[in-house]
Amino acid sequence: DVKVTQSSRYLVKRTGEKVFLECVQDMDHENMFWYRQDPGLGLRLIYFSYDVKMKEKGDIPEGYSVSREKKERFSLILESASTNQTSMYLCASSSRTRGVHEQFFGPGTRLTVL
Amino acid sequence: GIQVEQSPPDLILQEGANSTLRCNFSDSVNNLQWFHQNPWGQLINLFYIPSGTKQNGRLSATTVATERYSLLYISSSQTTDSGVYFCAVGGGFGNEKLTFGTGTRLTIIP
Repeated sequence: DVKVTQSSRYLVKRTGEKVFLECVQDMDHENMFWYRQDPGLGLRLIYFSYDVKMKEKGDIPEGYSVSREKKERFSLILESASTNQTSMYLCASSSRTRGVHEQFFGPGTRLTVL
Repeated sequence: GIQVEQSPPDLILQEGANSTLRCNFSDSVNNLQWFHQNPWGQLINLFYIPSGTKQNGRLSATTVATERYSLLYISSSQTTDSGVYFCAVGGGFGNEKLTFGTGTRLTIIP
């Protein structure tokens, strides 16, 4: 079974703090993704990565950065958290080379910025 | 980019009823997935179905790629089927990111 894990289920931070959200997958997938989900706006892609040290902006990258130093780990970084970054953050992974590009999601992190 | 529309936005049914959820998309796709989001927020994979028909127990799905729509069928609904169902599509190799629809909220009443 594919397993995608995220470092925290719930997180509370203060405005201006630097926040790290970690995601780890155990299926040797090349692709990894970060989405955020907000009521009325659905799921939106923040950043994705096709390979180690490679990253591409999604639809809403402003205020975020990412890091992928190892194939199994993809980190989302909020350099200076703001209240409008309060959201549900979902990480996903998929294979790039096996012909089937099904994405699998982690349990999500509910981030509250006060 | 690809547009994804789901209907209906909300559906309330009695336990035991059948339902059909629809997903329309605006361009050709190489990836189409159906998810169920549970009350804790996790997205559960239901089907990977860029074309054709699949069945898994009481759930089945059909994608008609040439007409750009997919249907999710739920038969003999149970209260545990309640939640939000998402359709998501992707363009394939070199463009593997998913675009999500806004979901159908299904409520099953005992």
